[in-house]
Amino acid sequence: SQQGEEDPQALSIQEGENATMNCSYKTSINNLQWYRQNSGRGLVHLILIRSNEREKHSGRLRVTLDTSKKSSSLLITASRAADTASYFCATVSAGDDKIIFGKGTRLHILP
Amino acid sequence: NAGVTQTPKFQVLKTGQSMTLQCAQDMNHEYMSWYRQDPGMGLRLIHYSVGAGITDQGEVPNGYNVSRSTTEDFPLRLLSAAPSQTSVYFCASSTGRTDTQYFGPGTRLTVL
Repeated sequence: SQQGEEDPQALSIQEGENATMNCSYKTSINNLQWYRQNSGRGLVHLILIRSNEREKHSGRLRVTLDTSKKSSSLLITASRAADTASYFCATVSAGDDKIIFGKGTRLHILP
Repeated sequence: NAGVTQTPKFQVLKTGQSMTLQCAQDMNHEYMSWYRQDPGMGLRLIHYSVGAGITDQGEVPNGYNVSRSTTEDFPLRLLSAAPSQTSVYFCASSTGRTDTQYFGPGTRLTVL
């Protein structure tokens, strides 16, 4: 059964703008992970945020987690053409430690 | 470190043929897994292993076998290929089941 669901499914923005993607889930989690996938490539880990954390940063990436709303967001600031990719959230369920990937958000940065 | 490697990159099979997708990692990770990625479906877990000699089924295990004789290698076997197994297959490894996953580059499989 699907756990994390990303929103929107697709997003196009101008280079330099900020991009925000959201992930909602249904059951309690151990942690939540964000990954990037460039076309034709494997997934690359971006950030892991634990259930007791609310915000994490990595360079131009900012991830927030709201366990009361069962949602997370990934913000990419000052987007670049190289950020064009699909972004996936993966939730690790509390209890059984199952990791389930969402269907992803396709981000396209316009020059 | 090479990380996670997968071979082959591309493969075309006929219905009923069998083959093995290879996966190897050089990070001494205990946890390894196989996913398939289909358009609009995200990644779905096929099989996983928490260490040498230990494997278990994921979400979509039917038609696939795995074994884990060493820490480094985790091959995925298709017993009798079917068109429904046309997909992109990814192998991943991590230190533990809940930790950051490191993915291989994928194998694109077409079954005719």
